[in-house]
Formats: sequence, structure tokens, C-alpha cells
Amino acid sequence: DQQVKQNSPSLSVQEGRISILNCDYTNSMFDYFLWYKKYPAEGPTFLISISSIKDKNEDGRFTVFLNKSAKHLSLHIVPSQPGDSAVYFCAASARDNQGGKLIFGQGTELSVKP
Amino acid sequence: DSGVTQTPKHLITATGQRVTLRCSPRSGDLSVYWYQQSLDQGLQFLIQYYNGEERAKGNILERFSAQQFPDLHSELNLSSLELGDSALYFCASSVDPAGGPGYNEQFFGPGTRLTVL
Repeated sequence: DQQVKQNSPSLSVQEGRISILNCDYTNSMFDYFLWYKKYPAEGPTFLISISSIKDKNEDGRFTVFLNKSAKHLSLHIVPSQPGDSAVYFCAASARDNQGGKLIFGQGTELSVKP
Repeated sequence: DSGVTQTPKHLITATGQRVTLRCSPRSGDLSVYWYQQSLDQGLQFLIQYYNGEERAKGNILERFSAQQFPDLHSELNLSSLELGDSALYFCASSVDPAGGPGYNEQFFGPGTRLTVL
């Protein structure tokens, strides 16, 4: 049972436009969400996170929106740049005694075309 | 550069063998996490250590074991290797508030690519 889902395996966007990456989750115990970016042959790089007590967090060109009732979060990148081309992973964590393990989605490959 | 180091970068071995993957966390981070990324499974949590003690276990096979040493570096031991163990193995670290579950962001190393022939 996949608790975190990224239903779009790929997304293509024109440079300068907005990129919107989506993520859905099923476990209502998740209370912390993160986005990671991954280039080939490198480890995931932390981008931005959001706690379940918020519905929006912004950091420069990156904004994450959380809709708890829909169990949905999205990452907006504005404006998109060719260097943003990478695989983006959504991850979630639950407040429990099990530490801070992250449950990852399958990833969305973003391609930003010049 | 995340500050997390992993060695070796690549490892090629045969079925039935045993290997050890090493991870050094970022300076000051007490928690170390191991993840496996295979082609069809995505990033899967294996195990977490916090300040030398096992904190959480995920889908880690009995053939796999890990430990965290007093200097906080960690090793992941994979034994009786099978073809299906071929994957990227990532280590991540986070600060974690002392005594509490971690909510801080995890920073990932570059990974070890294991190929079992």
C-alpha cells in the first residue's frame, strides 16, 4: 500500500512558466511533509518542507501548499528554469515513537525547456 | 554538498557475498537513516539510528544489519547477497531534538550503487 503517491511520472514546462508538482497521501497521521530534488547519480537534495499546522510555506521560487482535508500537497516553482530539470520527490513523516523516517512518493521527472 | 559522506561510491560483487557500506553524517547530526532505491520500488526506508541506538526499522531484510558507532558514523552490512539487492543505498542524517522523534529535514549522501552479479 503506497501511502504517498505522485501520480504524474513526468512533467514538461516552458522556461519562465510555473511548474506544479502534485502529491497525495493516505495516512492521516502524517504531519510533516518535504520535497526533495534529485539529479542522476546524486543523492536527494532537500528543497522545502511544511508542517501540518500550516497550509503554505514559501522559499524563494518554491512554494508548497498543503490541503489536509484533501490529503494533498503541491510544489509550485515560479519561474521555472532549465536548471530545475530533475526528479522531484514528495515525502511525509508521522509524529510517533518511530523516529523521523520518511515515506517517499515515486517521484515526478520535471523537464524545463528553454 | 550535503555534508553527508558515503563510501564506496560503487560496489560490484557476486551473489552470496557480504558487503559493508559506510556513512558519515553531517557534523552535529545525531540521527542516521538508511534508504534503498531500486528501479521498481522508489526510495524505501530501511533503518534509523539515533545517537548509537536503533530508533526505527522499516522494510529491512534479516540478511541486512546496521550499527552506529560512538563517533556517529554508521555502517550497513548486507550479507548473502542476491541479484535483487542491486540498488542505490542512501544514507541521510538529521539533527533530531534530543529524546524526541525527528522532524528536522534529512540530508542525503551521494549514495552507494551496489551491483550484485
